[in-house]
Amino acid sequence: GESVGLHLPTLSVQEGDNSIINCAYSNSASDYFIWYKQESGKGPQFIIDIRSNMDKRQGQRVTVLLNKTVKHLSLQIAATQPGDSAVYFCAENKGGTASKLTFGTGTRLQVTL
Amino acid sequence: EPEVTQTPSHQVTQMGQEVILRCVPISNHLYFYWYRQILGQKVEFLVSFYNNEISEKSEIFDDQFSVERPDGSNFTLKIRSTKLEDSAMYFCASNPRQAVNEKLFFGSGTQLSVL
Repeated sequence: GESVGLHLPTLSVQEGDNSIINCAYSNSASDYFIWYKQESGKGPQFIIDIRSNMDKRQGQRVTVLLNKTVKHLSLQIAATQPGDSAVYFCAENKGGTASKLTFGTGTRLQVTL
Repeated sequence: EPEVTQTPSHQVTQMGQEVILRCVPISNHLYFYWYRQILGQKVEFLVSFYNNEISEKSEIFDDQFSVERPDGSNFTLKIRSTKLEDSAMYFCASNPRQAVNEKLFFGSGTQLSVL
């Protein structure tokens, strides 16, 4: 079930370093954004979300930043661990039905020891 | 933590055959979804379902697709006559409310291979 993604961007970071994964979204009317993590053979797992009336939200070791001016979303992972290795997707809700999400292409995070 | 469960994990079928993918959403959830992910591509919305009817569907979800909640626990996706391009990972998801900030819980998926 892994998304092989021949053209999937890959980010390699050393264990303990901070990771920043970026995402550009398409619709200025989108009002809700989510980051999902997908490990091999598993479904997307919710990490953190943010409403469009916020520009920053923090969770445990993760921070999401939203820049509506340039339609950019980022996920920061502090002190990256080997268990963080996965494909990360941003998703946006383009309004209307709340859970009809539009997913981005994904970024593969590889954590090296 | 409660989980969305999907069966089977892998399904191989011949082109033209019917397949039924099964899901058990989280028990107190009311909104159910199917998404799919073709190998190497984005996760795509197929359909949402509430109160025993489709609430929204994408252009992918044509007449070959149908969904059903046959009993109080299962939620199924049927593809009547499979095509090669239906090969993908199919994810079921659910949430208790369809509010803007209500996160989706995804199952582990069913990998469908059409030969």
